[in-house]
Amino acid sequence: SQKIEQNSEALNIQEGKTATLTCNYTNYSPAYLQWYRQDPGRGPVFLLLIRENEKEKRKERLKVTFDTTLKQSLFHITASQPADSATYLCALDTGNTGFQKLVFGTGTRLLVSP
Amino acid sequence: NAGVMQNPRHLVRRRGQEARLRCSPMKGHSHVYWYRQLPEEGLKFMVYLQKENIIDESGMPKERFSAEFPKEGPSILRIQQVVRGDSAAYFCASSPPVQGAGDTQYFGPGTRLTVL
Repeated sequence: SQKIEQNSEALNIQEGKTATLTCNYTNYSPAYLQWYRQDPGRGPVFLLLIRENEKEKRKERLKVTFDTTLKQSLFHITASQPADSATYLCALDTGNTGFQKLVFGTGTRLLVSP
Repeated sequence: NAGVMQNPRHLVRRRGQEARLRCSPMKGHSHVYWYRQLPEEGLKFMVYLQKENIIDESGMPKERFSAEFPKEGPSILRIQQVVRGDSAAYFCASSPPVQGAGDTQYFGPGTRLTVL
């Protein structure tokens, strides 16, 4: 069956450290993968997109990698800050439906302590 | 430039009543998506609409749920005869008219439906 999995346990790290979140998928061939941030009571906010032919993408303190062999994406936040505390969602799109039919993981909650 | 707007933000209904959720996409966006997020679960795609057309409703429950996006006005997600299991957060997202790989979706703040 098709699955997209993120670590359901919260990730607790200290301010200034690098947070690494994992997204694994099975039985999908995504054309691209996206990462979103979701704060309590709010809608997801787009952060980064990485295509199947890209290995790595960066934006300020954020970095995403995409390994189609391992069927895995890693999301890194360097020099983490308490304001980075949120739930991070990965979403993939197989790209074969003619529109963005996104499949979301359940998200990983990140807690950054001062 | 206002983002995606959803109303109401919170909606309480008793079992058997109807729920109407509204979504106004971002200015210039003509594609609307509806998602449902149950507690401790991920966002689940429900339906994708363009103006006056339902493009894909493969995620919609077969009964009681319907969606529309008229030529004028917001998109509406309608749930008839609500049951307790319909309690969830419902999110709307919109995207520009011409989509390519790399276009993203912009989400609204969601409507939290509680069925008593």
